[in-house]
Amino acid sequence: SAVISQKPSRDICQRGTSLTIQCQVDSQVTMMFWYRQQPGQSLTLIATANQGSEATYESGFVIDKFPISRPNLTFSTLTVSNMSPEDSSIYLCSVGGQGLHTQYFGPGTRLTVL
Amino acid sequence: DAKTTQPTSMDCAEGRAANLPCNHSTISGNEYVYWYRQIHSQGPQYIIHGLKNNETNEMASLIITEDRKSSTLILPHATLRDTAVYYCIVRFPNAGGTSYGKLTFGQGTILTVHP
Repeated sequence: SAVISQKPSRDICQRGTSLTIQCQVDSQVTMMFWYRQQPGQSLTLIATANQGSEATYESGFVIDKFPISRPNLTFSTLTVSNMSPEDSSIYLCSVGGQGLHTQYFGPGTRLTVL
Repeated sequence: DAKTTQPTSMDCAEGRAANLPCNHSTISGNEYVYWYRQIHSQGPQYIIHGLKNNETNEMASLIITEDRKSSTLILPHATLRDTAVYYCIVRFPNAGGTSYGKLTFGQGTILTVHP
């Protein structure tokens, strides 16, 4: 199994500012994934981050709003830019397992925008 | 990915079996059934998966009907720590392609285990 840590675990931010969320995995992985979970809702995939290439964003998510870095095979960051209260969510990092069937998730970063 | 339908919520007494149903009538021949759960304030946790046959691991059992249009996750002896949202997901395995790593989460079933 993969152990995933995220920083910060939670934060309260002012509108108009930006927050960078870090995701660290205890093993090298090719692809990392960022999900968002809005209050009371299920998880939605934001983007897929490959090391050495630009992230691939899902419909409804854009790079200017959610820039992603992937400097190596164990680390990624997601920035939530120019935040508004609608960005208040839990942001989760995820990686695939060694086999074909498992996916592992980090503990999430709970973001509140005032 | 095939769409799934789950009850919004279920209750279970501690120590009893919890049986969580999932309908996936549009599942295709090569799609698997996956179950994840999300305990409050944690990330989702993989539980079990299956294609056609019934499966069992240390966490749960998965029963898939012969026509594969529905399945049931069984927690044989539910504990208070099993209180969580349970997600049934039908998809192709992580074998590359554009669907790699993309889990489409529905609303899931909120399972509450009572003392």
